[in-house]
Amino acid sequence: DGGITQSPKYLFRKEGQNVTLSCEQNLNHDAMYWYRQDPGQGLRLIYYSQIVNDFQKGDIAEGYSVSREKKESFPLTVTSAQKNPTAFYLCASSWGGLPSYNEQFFGPGTRLTVL
Amino acid sequence: DAKTTQPPSMDCAEGRAANLPCNHSTISGNEYVYWYRQIHSQGPQYIIHGLKNNETNEMASLIITEDRKSSTLILPHATLRDTAVYYCIAEGGGTSYGKLTFGQGTILTVHP
Repeated sequence: DGGITQSPKYLFRKEGQNVTLSCEQNLNHDAMYWYRQDPGQGLRLIYYSQIVNDFQKGDIAEGYSVSREKKESFPLTVTSAQKNPTAFYLCASSWGGLPSYNEQFFGPGTRLTVL
Repeated sequence: DAKTTQPPSMDCAEGRAANLPCNHSTISGNEYVYWYRQIHSQGPQYIIHGLKNNETNEMASLIITEDRKSSTLILPHATLRDTAVYYCIAEGGGTSYGKLTFGQGTILTVHP
């Protein structure tokens, strides 16, 4: 089956620890995205990548880092510099390019809790 | 990117049409209108998008006004499984292409 996988579904970490969230897609999409969602709020863009080996900051990139070494993978690291890391993290991918063909497919999300 | 305004919540009876409005009065000529929905604790799901013309697919219809300042998403026969948060997004021009800005959306509750 084609799709996006995120692991794990639930993640617990101690304050001050870095943690890396996994996102893999087998849709052959060029573009990938990371969003954060807080309770009762919409999604906010953290980072996005339109092509391998290139990525751009979104609206709330501080305290996060990403890499895009492979087309199918876009891991997100939540660093200790992120002041409020507890949230629901969503990864998405799309063909990229023209907006007319920019349907984004979302993974199931990872719920991160920092204790 | 154009800002969108949606009612915070709406109700609909099962089997009836659900009409969800969205205002995007500052939309620019090259920005598309996208609709996504998010069922509780899941990732958002794409529904439909359009530029100027009305669009229909197996999930919904999108009606865009002639001046493009507002649109309506229509779920023709709502079911209980359509209960979700519905996001209207206006996006797509210039350097921002590929980015979607999600507001707080409309919580649609479909009741028996």
